[in-house]
Amino acid sequence: GAVVSQHPSWVICKSGTSVKIECRSLDFQATTMFWYRQFPKQSLMLMATSNEGSKATYEQGVEKDKFLINHASLTLSTLTVTSAHPEDSSFYICSARLGWTSGQETQYFGPGTRLLVL
Amino acid sequence: LAKTTQPISMDSYEGQEVNITCSHNNIATNDYITWYQQFPSQGPRFIIQGYKTKVTNEVASLFIPADRKSSTLSLPRVSLSDTAVYYCLVGDKISGNTPLVFGKGTRLSVIA
Repeated sequence: GAVVSQHPSWVICKSGTSVKIECRSLDFQATTMFWYRQFPKQSLMLMATSNEGSKATYEQGVEKDKFLINHASLTLSTLTVTSAHPEDSSFYICSARLGWTSGQETQYFGPGTRLLVL
Repeated sequence: LAKTTQPISMDSYEGQEVNITCSHNNIATNDYITWYQQFPSQGPRFIIQGYKTKVTNEVASLFIPADRKSSTLSLPRVSLSDTAVYYCLVGDKISGNTPLVFGKGTRLSVIA
């Protein structure tokens, strides 16, 4: 199946610093990628839809100035958590939609990035 | 987007067949049903997808009745490694920009 990677897999940072997370589609092009956040024992919550070459679409309640998303190419989207605080500590997961192939059309998810803000 | 309802948790012994049912009463004509599996601290993994009737792959089977208001994921002969959270999602296959919205999922615990 299609492969989506994320980097880094985990990061620890001090409060007030910014952290960048990369999401790459390794063997396919993705004009649209999605960013999710997951807190312990909870489900994935959609944060934003990242579109190549245009501005991201944020879900209600997600601060676009705090979570900067850039989708500069068809295989790379980045999420930057600016001025991170302890409440931003979470598991961040990206996904990319693979178009119709082999009778299926679905999203493939990255392995996630664990962020801990001290 | 159609809302889904699943049991919060299920327990099973190794070697048994597990059936997880998902309700999606408001499913739209263009919606497909997709199931994902998630292990702790990992991204969700695609299991199976279907539109109607029955779909089978090397991992699972998906049963969808004619009215499509529910679906059942069937895992044959589960093992300890199948312990995970299973999510049922419905979404429009045609619209490439439509994200998948996750419900609470079903936490499956397989016991030796």
